[in-house]
Amino acid sequence: KAGVTQTPRYLIKTRGQQVTLSCSPISGHRSVSWYQQTPGQGLQFLFEYFSETQRNKGNFPGRFSGRQFSNSRSEMNVSTLELGDSALYLCASSLSNSPLHFGNGTRLTVT
Amino acid sequence: DQQVKQNSPSLSVQEGRISILNCDYTNSMFDYFLWYKKYPAEGPTFLISISSIKDKNEDGRFTVFLNKSAKHLSLHIVPSQPGDSAVYFCAASDGVQGGGSEKLVFGKGTKLTVNP
Repeated sequence: KAGVTQTPRYLIKTRGQQVTLSCSPISGHRSVSWYQQTPGQGLQFLFEYFSETQRNKGNFPGRFSGRQFSNSRSEMNVSTLELGDSALYLCASSLSNSPLHFGNGTRLTVT
Repeated sequence: DQQVKQNSPSLSVQEGRISILNCDYTNSMFDYFLWYKKYPAEGPTFLISISSIKDKNEDGRFTVFLNKSAKHLSLHIVPSQPGDSAVYFCAASDGVQGGGSEKLVFGKGTKLTVNP
């Protein structure tokens, strides 16, 4: 079974631009979560989607948004990029009441 | 406010010996705890979990202990192997079952190095 796939693996953007990251969950998994990993803050929860609905949201500004499609694939968008948005963005999928399975992440660098 | 704390940023042990990784939490609503392992350039991989109704869970060389009164959990790896060298994250959830669709709160990780 294929794991969680995130694209692209690496991304370089300029301050003020926007970016869209993509995540394909494990087949059959309907829940998709997004996390941000930085050296200073560690892994922080962004949001979680289930059946195209946002079910949970972390403490991030409105510049961070996401969506989920009917095939459970998910995208997250960051608008008006800031230098502090440079991070590893991790997507995870899961079945109900089971551990998260993470992808290998998208490394975003904002210059 | 850090709700899940891993106070040791790094740990070094000899191959064959026991590795003990510790984690403390402050939120008494947490009822499900997980350990993840992360290699460089890869996403975290689920290792083992424990529900708050238990105080111990074993899976092969890995055992997690939970002390609810102390709000403390630990991961024991016996015997440690060089391939165990990775960053280990403790995570907690306050969902009904947790660990899956519920939001996870992670510690900042402990880098384990197992020397041959």
